[in-house]
Amino acid sequence: KNEVEQSPQNLTAQEGEFITINCSYSVGISALHWLQQHPGGGIVSLFMLSSGKKKHGRLIATINIQEKHSSLHITASHPRDSAVYICAVRKGGADGLTFGKGTHLIIQP
Amino acid sequence: DAGVIQSPRHEVTEMGQEVTLRCKPISGHNSLFWYRQTMMRGLELLIYFNNNVPIDDSGMPEDRFSAKMPNASFSTLKIQPSEPRDSAVYFCASSPRQHARRNSGNTIYFGEGSWLTVV
Repeated sequence: KNEVEQSPQNLTAQEGEFITINCSYSVGISALHWLQQHPGGGIVSLFMLSSGKKKHGRLIATINIQEKHSSLHITASHPRDSAVYICAVRKGGADGLTFGKGTHLIIQP
Repeated sequence: DAGVIQSPRHEVTEMGQEVTLRCKPISGHNSLFWYRQTMMRGLELLIYFNNNVPIDDSGMPEDRFSAKMPNASFSTLKIQPSEPRDSAVYFCASSPRQHARRNSGNTIYFGEGSWLTVV
């Protein structure tokens, strides 16, 4: 079993819909990252969380340390949000990231 | 700052040839990471350095892979000899060293990746 599991693997939605991507992990962590990868391959860190909730524009990320679960929400989704969203954790005591398999999101106009 | 700079962006090479991938981290960042991305396995950590010192190379697949960081502004990942199964996108990333008291780490910045095809 992978240490970081994401769901769903693929998600297609209509423009304007509220999007939720989930991440569960089975190891102790010091931080969790949500990453965005566009076609063409570049990876951008959207959020780094160790507790609670963060918001940036239409994106919201939450984490529940006790339940070992995090969610990424996109409000008022737009076709330019189409990308692969990757959950990654920094295991306690380590600096490198362990990644989920990613969620391939397509927002149709 | 120009961000993390990787070269080459694309390389096609023949099996058995030596491949060298290069990375310039963001100035002032103390940690440098090499990751590999394939369709089958997704993103995986190969090796990382703190203050130019290799800390964890347990992700390096085998002896054909080696990485160096001779100074704070340059790192290389070398594959010798290369094999078709090494075909992947290789990402370099850097981050400031995690703050010791908070122990929550810092955000991470990725290069654009080096797309390697071994035929």
